[in-house]
Amino acid sequence: GAVVSQHPSWVICKSGTSVKIECRSLDFQATTMFWYRQFPKQSLMLMATSNEGSKATYEQGVEKDKFLINHASLTLSTLTVTSAHPEDSSFYICSATRTGYFYEQYFGPGTRLTVT
Amino acid sequence: AQSVTQLDSQVPVFEEAPVELRCNYSSSVSVYLFWYVQYPNQGLQLLLKYLSGSTLVKGINGFEAEFNKSQTSFHLRKPSVHISDTAEYFCAVSGSDYKLSFGAGTTVTVRA
Repeated sequence: GAVVSQHPSWVICKSGTSVKIECRSLDFQATTMFWYRQFPKQSLMLMATSNEGSKATYEQGVEKDKFLINHASLTLSTLTVTSAHPEDSSFYICSATRTGYFYEQYFGPGTRLTVT
Repeated sequence: AQSVTQLDSQVPVFEEAPVELRCNYSSSVSVYLFWYVQYPNQGLQLLLKYLSGSTLVKGINGFEAEFNKSQTSFHLRKPSVHISDTAEYFCAVSGSDYKLSFGAGTTVTVRA
């Protein structure tokens, strides 16, 4: 149980375009989802926290207008990278917590974004 | 705010040998501690977690960790590794806000 999926698993887009990444909890309801980015050979950095039905909370230094997060239901959160540039190329990973079990996060498989 | 420091960036080890990955944390309040494993181009898989109670925590795949409050450490151990244990390992800490702060990671390479 507690499976989280991401779609797409990898995406290539041209500079200036936008790309949407989906994060789904498949077998549980996720009140809270988190979005991370990971550069090669580096650790995960938290970008934002999204709660179902409310605005996302962004970490310091993360541009909220560039990384749009929508948590429209208890099983789906989306991250849209707007006007992507090569420096946005990264591995984006989401996680979700089960309602009432906030201390444990279940991670998705990640999405590799390459901006050309 | 809490943070973790993983003391070893790379750990080479021979198959069937023991391994220890070191993690120290800093926090002024109660913490939750985790070890995750990441295989290439994949997400993170939870190995084990410490929330409260017994300081010796057993996880999946034969891993265990010991929470030491006086030394603010949470070291991960496995008595005998396999080739399949080759991966990146992350120590993480969270507090009352449930946000995870990750260490820089330790690359474990198991050689035959």
